[in-house]
Amino acid sequence: DSGVTQTPKHLITATGQRVTLRCSPRSGDLSVYWYQQSLDQGLQFLIQYYNGEERAKGNILERFSAQQFPDLHSELNLSSLELGDSALYFCASSVDAGNKGRAFFGQGTRLTVV
Amino acid sequence: GIQVEQSPPDLILQEGANSTLRCNFSDSVNNLQWFHQNPWGQLINLFYIPSGTKQNGRLSATTVATERYSLLYISSSQTTDSGVYFCAVKAAGNKLTFGGGTRVLVKP
Repeated sequence: DSGVTQTPKHLITATGQRVTLRCSPRSGDLSVYWYQQSLDQGLQFLIQYYNGEERAKGNILERFSAQQFPDLHSELNLSSLELGDSALYFCASSVDAGNKGRAFFGQGTRLTVV
Repeated sequence: GIQVEQSPPDLILQEGANSTLRCNFSDSVNNLQWFHQNPWGQLINLFYIPSGTKQNGRLSATTVATERYSLLYISSSQTTDSGVYFCAVKAAGNKLTFGGGTRVLVKP
């Protein structure tokens, strides 16, 4: 158990819908990262938050947004869903915002868009 | 951005065999990690190893930062070692960039 909790584990939804994925980081970790894993794109970095503020942005679509709340949990919102958004979405956490240290991943949310 | 290449892409082992996985990266890094994704999809952090050598049970890793590569050694492989092994690096900035992975199958 990495200590990072993601809910839900599985999600099936229709095209055009909006979903929210939730992540609770390990106790004491201030940084939260979101990754998307699809078969053809591998593990892609979406966005990072540190202590409530956005720190780094990857190739995150405009239809996607995220935030980190004062209790440090984070949510990833995906809207106007398309079939191609079907993927495994991971949240990871680490102690600091910088380059050092380890990232610990949650079990992921498997999103299926039908 | 930084490029991370892993080899081989696929590896089939007989239980008890040893193997070496390689990760090459295109620029200087200050953070390198190895992960194992098990058949259930969970990503498990194996090593944080920006330089030097570390060992954890039957696994060990070595990073030669000046030559831009890292190696992961699996000794006396077991069926539970099956899955995909990823190398991930950070150069400048906070983005952890993953390689394409090495898919390992250990046969009993």
